[in-house]
Amino acid sequence: AQTVTQSQPEMSVQEAETVTLSCTYDTSENNYYLFWYKQPPSRQMILVIRQEAYKQQNATENRFSVNFQKAAKSFSLKISDSQLGDTAMYFCAFTEIIQGAQKLVFGQGTRLTINP
Amino acid sequence: ETGVTQTPRHLVMGMTNKKSLKCEQHLGHNAMYWYKQSAKKPLELMFVYSLEERVENNSVPSRFSPECPNSSHLFLHLHTLQPEDSALYLCASSQGRFSNQPQHFGDGTRLSIL
Repeated sequence: AQTVTQSQPEMSVQEAETVTLSCTYDTSENNYYLFWYKQPPSRQMILVIRQEAYKQQNATENRFSVNFQKAAKSFSLKISDSQLGDTAMYFCAFTEIIQGAQKLVFGQGTRLTINP
Repeated sequence: ETGVTQTPRHLVMGMTNKKSLKCEQHLGHNAMYWYKQSAKKPLELMFVYSLEERVENNSVPSRFSPECPNSSHLFLHLHTLQPEDSALYLCASSQGRFSNQPQHFGDGTRLSIL
């Protein structure tokens, strides 16, 4: 079974600093997709960034980037120039396709606090 | 506007009550999902519907009964729930066949069982 592990339950940094959230996963699949989702206190899960396993180039979205190490099954998220609005729970997720639909497997989440 | 709307936002019910959670998506997606989010646990996938057909039932107790009348609507019918069922229930949708397309989530229903 696929599993996703986030080893940092909580993290806290000062505004404008860079922070890295770790994620490891376990799968026997060769082609899959990885996502980072953000859940602020408003509760809505918001996509932050996604990575396709067959692409060696790390995905980047503005201040957010990933370090994808396929052999190590590692998928960390780096947030540069952190902002107060980045305060949220961050979930790493792995996806597989089942009968025409996605099956997302989530990690336990990391609670990130950005301090002024 | 999230594109995925869930009602009600909060629900308090007794163990003998029957209620339903509703989810509606306006994104033209063909797959819909129910998740349970409990404190200190990862999100748990409960049900998956693709093209209105249930394709996954993740060992969910029968006191939870899903219904997908069309590709835009998803319900979760609840009856004789237990206190451990108190949680945030999230609905999501996606363009199911394409695994690189992200799931879009609603704001969830916070359920409390008395």
